[in-house]
Amino acid sequence: DAKTTQPNSMESNEEEPVHLPCNHSTISGTDYIHWYRQLPSQGPEYVIHGLTSNVNNRMASLAIAEDRKSSTLILHRATLRDAAVYYCIPTAAGGTSYGKLTFGQGTILTVHP
Amino acid sequence: DTGVSQNPRHKITKRGQNVTFRCDPISEHNRLYWYRQTLGQGPEFLTYFQNEAQLEKSRLLSDRFSAERPKGSFSTLEIQRTEQGDSAMYLCASSSLSGSYEQYFGPGTRLTVT
Repeated sequence: DAKTTQPNSMESNEEEPVHLPCNHSTISGTDYIHWYRQLPSQGPEYVIHGLTSNVNNRMASLAIAEDRKSSTLILHRATLRDAAVYYCIPTAAGGTSYGKLTFGQGTILTVHP
Repeated sequence: DTGVSQNPRHKITKRGQNVTFRCDPISEHNRLYWYRQTLGQGPEFLTYFQNEAQLEKSRLLSDRFSAERPKGSFSTLEIQRTEQGDSAMYLCASSSLSGSYEQYFGPGTRLTVT
């Protein structure tokens, strides 16, 4: 499994953009980059994923470095409901580990009103 | 679609007892995963099924743990002779084989072994 490095914690103010970084320098060329988040007392929730190109959905944007060794999750306008632990997870696209998620420590995001 | 459900939500048991948890995935999802999460840590993969076949088991899953998905629908996770170290949140997730295979998680079953 590819190793990931994320900041232990980050803080933001409500309505401001948040950029959550992740280093995954040992990622395989075929691994997807998934982001999940876990709100307090809930199971993890899918946020976004990508392979090489930047991706946007209703929740967030994902910017992937050209060498794929890092990525950044962007929340365009943080709300109090975005306070959660955010996990960056390289995921095999095939083989026996297809779809299996290997969670790291994640980044605890605190959003101030 | 009601999402992934897990029962019970909380379980307190005495050391040495057996416990069984149930997971009902999103209907028609082929894949079902079990994870375990201890306080302050990210979830750890335990095992997964594709339909009724158990395709992978983590080394974390000792012989006291067994999981089944007999008809490719709901799944059960049984822990025999529970130990205090088994205290954790047990999470279930399901996904489809097609598309982005994003996983949908249930609320978890919190196990406390006294």
